[in-house]
Amino acid sequence: DAKTTQPPSMDCAEGRAANLPCNHSTISGNEYVYWYRQIHSQGPQYIIHGLKNNETNEMASLIITEDRKSSTLILPHATLRDTAVYYCIVRVGGVYSGGGADGLTFGKGTHLIIQP
Amino acid sequence: KAGVTQTPRYLIKTRGQQVTLSCSPISGHRSVSWYQQTPGQGLQFLFEYFSETQRNKGNFPGRFSGRQFSNSRSEMNVSTLELGDSALYLCASSLDGGTTDTQYFGPGTRLTVL
Repeated sequence: DAKTTQPPSMDCAEGRAANLPCNHSTISGNEYVYWYRQIHSQGPQYIIHGLKNNETNEMASLIITEDRKSSTLILPHATLRDTAVYYCIVRVGGVYSGGGADGLTFGKGTHLIIQP
Repeated sequence: KAGVTQTPRYLIKTRGQQVTLSCSPISGHRSVSWYQQTPGQGLQFLFEYFSETQRNKGNFPGRFSGRQFSNSRSEMNVSTLELGDSALYLCASSLDGGTTDTQYFGPGTRLTVL
């Protein structure tokens, strides 16, 4: 799976949009971009994923650049409960054969701190 | 629908002992993966089970093992515990473990080895 680069930490004011960047310049055509977050000492929580089109769900929006080398996760109205470590993961998609999917490869992520 | 559950939530053991952790996946999910999280190494993949078979394994010693039952529940076992095994152990389930299949994580079991 392709390697990702994220800033180690970011601050955002409560009520504002939080924009978390992720660089994945070596991404391949069949690799998806996934975002998870982990609130302190809890299990990671799935947020959103996409291949090439922008995606939106009730939690966030995912904007993927046209060349797919970077993406941005947007939390539209950040609250204090959004303070967490956010992980951007790139993973091969499609049907796999044989021995099962590799585990998700988590980097160090971005520690997002929402300021009151 | 209930989420992934893990028991126990906290565990304290001493070096040399063994430990068994349990994971119940989301109803209908047949793939269960295990991860170890430590401050130094971050989140690392241990292994994945599907239909009672281990399909994939991360880079961990043989002291780490697991199994899956016919109802998709899974257990992982660590034998001859070492201090470095102190970690948060996370279980994740997905429908069939495909690479575009979303994994949903449980709350984890915090293991402390003294």
